[in-house]
Amino acid sequence: GENVEQHPSTLSVQEGDSAVIKCTYSDSASNYFPWYKQELGKRPQLIIDIRSNVGEKKDQRIAVTLNKTAKHFSLHITETQPEDSAVYFCAASTGGYQKVTFGTGTKLQVIP
Amino acid sequence: SAVISQKPSRDICQRGTSLTIQCQVDSQVTMMFWYRQQPGQSLTLIATANQGSEATYESGFVIDKFPISRPNLTFSTLTVSNMSPEDSSIYLCSVEGGTSGTYEQYFGPGTRLTVT
Repeated sequence: GENVEQHPSTLSVQEGDSAVIKCTYSDSASNYFPWYKQELGKRPQLIIDIRSNVGEKKDQRIAVTLNKTAKHFSLHITETQPEDSAVYFCAASTGGYQKVTFGTGTKLQVIP
Repeated sequence: SAVISQKPSRDICQRGTSLTIQCQVDSQVTMMFWYRQQPGQSLTLIATANQGSEATYESGFVIDKFPISRPNLTFSTLTVSNMSPEDSSIYLCSVEGGTSGTYEQYFGPGTRLTVT
């Protein structure tokens, strides 16, 4: 089955700096890669996703890149703000009502 | 995106008892998923519930321990049976429901279970 590895497990950045979280996946059939943000005590919220036919996708301060050959994908947050502090999960799926496999999570702390 | 609610939001239960968690969606969805999130950990899929058929369980999870019902396209229940302290966790349901051709999954608010 699919295995998703995520690094780093914790990340501290100064407010205004950029943050990068990296993930790798094992199943070459995976074609959908969502990212979730989970604040303390809250449900995971989908913040951005990318399909395998796209190499990069941006939404304001966040962007995701995908290297399908290397089975790598990354989340980039620019101009970080304290409200970006949360746990971020990457995930992979073959889509179409199939299971989503989650990475182990990255706890991001943005220091004001 | 779909609006998902869960009941109860939290509960404290004694070992050996069972708890049934309800998940309600405001629109019809084909597939519902049940996850477990242990403290400080990632999300682990328990099972996939398709209306009108038996749930599909992931490795390490069995129907006798986590029976699931899916009576219609907007509702599902997960029962945690014969509970032990190791079952203390957050249980979340999710649904797949984006615009046509997309695979976004959205989560309910979760049920925080503590077993004493």
